[in-house]
Amino acid sequence: AQSVAQPEDQVNVAEGNPLTVKCTYSVSGNPYLFWYVQYPNRGLQFLLKYITGDNLVKGSYGFEAEFNKSQTSFHLKKPSALVSDSALYFCAVRDRQAGTALIFGKGTTLSVSS
Amino acid sequence: EAQVTQNPRYLITVTGKKLTVTCSQNMNHEYMSWYRQDPGLGLRQIYYSMNVEVTDKGDVPEGYKVSRKEKRNFPLILESPSPNQTSLYFCASRPPGQSLREQYFGPGTRLTVT
Repeated sequence: AQSVAQPEDQVNVAEGNPLTVKCTYSVSGNPYLFWYVQYPNRGLQFLLKYITGDNLVKGSYGFEAEFNKSQTSFHLKKPSALVSDSALYFCAVRDRQAGTALIFGKGTTLSVSS
Repeated sequence: EAQVTQNPRYLITVTGKKLTVTCSQNMNHEYMSWYRQDPGLGLRQIYYSMNVEVTDKGDVPEGYKVSRKEKRNFPLILESPSPNQTSLYFCASRPPGQSLREQYFGPGTRLTVT
């Protein structure tokens, strides 16, 4: 069965510092991996995805994520956090062979202080 | 503008009173889906539809119905709402035939059942 774990409910960073939001996954086959962001009172917005190829994926708003197959991880990163990055972040996975539903993690709240 | 719309955005109702949450997309997407978001649980899929007249259960379908009579619309029906269906609901759609594509989410419907 597919699953996604986001081990931190909340991540706190100071503006200008690098940030990491962790995600690990479990699928029986090869994964498609996604990060979405949810701002207050808004729907989810797509940030980036890993399909194949380069393990470092760059996405919107300066975010990037690194696919690590051996550690089954897909951590979201940004070199320099902004206060406006404060939001709820979701990691999601789909088994590409099984073509099953997109499974979401529980979400991590990122809080960036000025 | 390409978008997924949901109505209503906010709804307070009483136990047992049938309600429908509408979802519409203008991107000619074949795949549409409904999720509920609950604190600490992330997003869980309720129902999805691969195309017109093709619907299937997600992870938490109990107490919900859907229909897909037209490509653009995918209403969520609660025949007899109960307080445990109080949640934030999101509709989403995805371009056809490719599970590697990201989903587009509506703005959400916050439902309270008393």
